[in-house]
This record gives sequence, structure tokens and C-alpha cells, in this order.
Amino acid sequence: GAGVSQSPSNKVTEKGKDVELRCDPISGHTALYWYRQSLGQGLEFLIYFQGNSAPDKSGLPSDRFSAERTGGSVSTLTIQRTQQEDSAVYLCASSLSVSPRGVNPSNTEAFFGQGTRLTVV
Amino acid sequence: EDQVTQSPEALRLQEGESSSLNCSYTVSGLRGLFWYRQDPGKGPEFLFTLYSAGEEKEKERLKATLTKKESFLHITAPKPEDSATYLCAVPEGATSGTYKYIFGTGTRLKVLA
Repeated sequence: GAGVSQSPSNKVTEKGKDVELRCDPISGHTALYWYRQSLGQGLEFLIYFQGNSAPDKSGLPSDRFSAERTGGSVSTLTIQRTQQEDSAVYLCASSLSVSPRGVNPSNTEAFFGQGTRLTVV
Repeated sequence: EDQVTQSPEALRLQEGESSSLNCSYTVSGLRGLFWYRQDPGKGPEFLFTLYSAGEEKEKERLKATLTKKESFLHITAPKPEDSATYLCAVPEGATSGTYKYIFGTGTRLKVLA
């Protein structure tokens, strides 16, 4: 498809179970982001992948959260031993190019998927 | 600390009643300011990127402007279908070596017919 694709769109899981959320970015986009949006809250940064560079994991809230990006394309966000406070919408985004210290950035806008609504019961 | 603040939190307008949304930012070395629209149950939809003070961009009834401290999203003669949450975001400061976006908490706009 032309846009960022996330699956599943909804996930209900029991407390303590592990979950995997998938993101398929726009073809050719080198940067991929995961954000979390809790009800009525802003977007909380989780992790960012840029090409072959080491990911920026500074937003992951605990060691129960991990993410990988295989082959520079599809990404999976894994949450182990889920807790009720993990309930939120998990959003993935991708962008064409970024320049961490670029003087004249361009094509840096991020395009978001529809999100995965995670409910931990 | 890099920061983005949006105001008002919520705004109700009558159809045709023009207004502006504000996004104030504090970041060392601005590398773009981004506006998004988010409808309930959906991911944010990209609207505009502004890179330098004085820049303006338009799309239908929306116009975004940028100064050195803030951005405005002007909505002219809004329609009910413009009802949504409008988000702005900036990348972390240029010296951070990373490109994660900092989002404001958004302005919830409701346009009444």
C-alpha cells in the first residue's frame, strides 16, 4: 500500500502476556518511529530507527519494551509481561530522509499509520 | 529543555468563524515545525512543514505561519469537517544528534454547523 500499515488495529490482552505490534513503513523511507498516545494525552516518543544507525531507544519506558527493524523495513514493537498502564494507542510513522545535523533539511515530514489500540485487561 | 506548547486546548467555532491556533516552541536549532491533523481513532495526518521564520503555507482553509518563537495555524471560514485535533511538532534540537519529534498536546477544534 501507499501508506504506513500497522497491525493489528486492535489488541486485547491479559495482564502479564507478551504482545507484538507490527509496522510496515512507506517503501523507501529510511526513518521509522514508534510513539504512544494514551487517552487524552499527547504523543510520547518511544524509539526511532534511522537507516543502519543504532536506534534511539531513549523513550522506551521500561525494559519490558523492545523494538527491532528487520532489513531496514518492517518493524516490530514487543511488550513483555504487559501491565494495565501499557494500554494506549501505539503509533508508527516513517519519513523519507532525516539529517540529524543537517543545515537544510527536507523531506523530513513523518507519515503515520492508523495505530494499534492496545487494551490490557 | 526542548518544548512545544499549544493553545488553546480546545476551541469551539461556528461555521464560518475564522480563528487561529497557536504553537509555541523552545528548541535549540529549529529543523522544521510540523502541523498535523488527527481525527478520532486515526493516526495524525501530515498538513504542513515550515522551516524558517516568515514562511507561510496554505491548504484550502488552513494557513500556517512561523516566527522565531511560535507558529500559527489560521483557519478561515471553517466548516464542520475541519473539526479535529491539530498537533504541532518539532524535532529535538540540532545538537542532539537525533531526529525524534516533540509533539504538543494539541488543540481540539469543534466547528458547529
